[in-house]
Amino acid sequence: ILNVEQSPQSLHVQEGDSTNFTCSFPSSNFYALHWYRWETAKSPEALFVMTLNGDEKKKGRISATLNTKEGYSYLYIKGSQPEDSATYLCASPIIQGAQKLVFGQGTRLTINP
Amino acid sequence: DADVTQTPRNRITKTGKRIMLECSQTKGHDRMYWYRQDPGLGLRLIYYSFDVKDINKGEISDGYSVSRQAQAKFSLSLESAIPNQTALYFCATSDPRTGGETQYFGPGTRLLVL
Repeated sequence: ILNVEQSPQSLHVQEGDSTNFTCSFPSSNFYALHWYRWETAKSPEALFVMTLNGDEKKKGRISATLNTKEGYSYLYIKGSQPEDSATYLCASPIIQGAQKLVFGQGTRLTINP
Repeated sequence: DADVTQTPRNRITKTGKRIMLECSQTKGHDRMYWYRQDPGLGLRLIYYSFDVKDINKGEISDGYSVSRQAQAKFSLSLESAIPNQTALYFCATSDPRTGGETQYFGPGTRLLVL
């Protein structure tokens, strides 16, 4: 079983501060790393899919980096706003003749006004 | 209109009852998935289907069954519901032709088994 781990499990950040959190995954047989944002009472929505070592992706104030050799990805949020409050999920596919995403347990981010 | 829909959105049932959760999509994707989410745990895969004739078990398929009635429809059944199947259930779709194969989620079904 492929283990995808996220830390921390929860995070409280003051509005305007920047923050980051981590997703770690086994580096062998890497295929892709997904980040999803999940707001309360809504469905998870894709933020990024990264496939290459050294990839950096950016969407507004949110960015992500990928290190496939050491098996981690960072998600950064610059100048946090209340609307950034959500659970951030990362996931990586298992390849065993078919693709299945394995999700981490998520980082629950709360932005304090 | 939402691309991936789930019905019902909320359901309360009793132990031993058979229930069905339905998922429909208008994205034209061949691949569909059912996940459950429990507090403190990530999304866990129950079943997945890569086309109408393909059904595969995920990591927690015991106590569940599925039916892929058409490309657009993928139903999850609990044959005899038990309290530890109380969870939030998500359906998702993906297209293998897109780079990285992002998954698109429905709004979820919150199930309570008494």
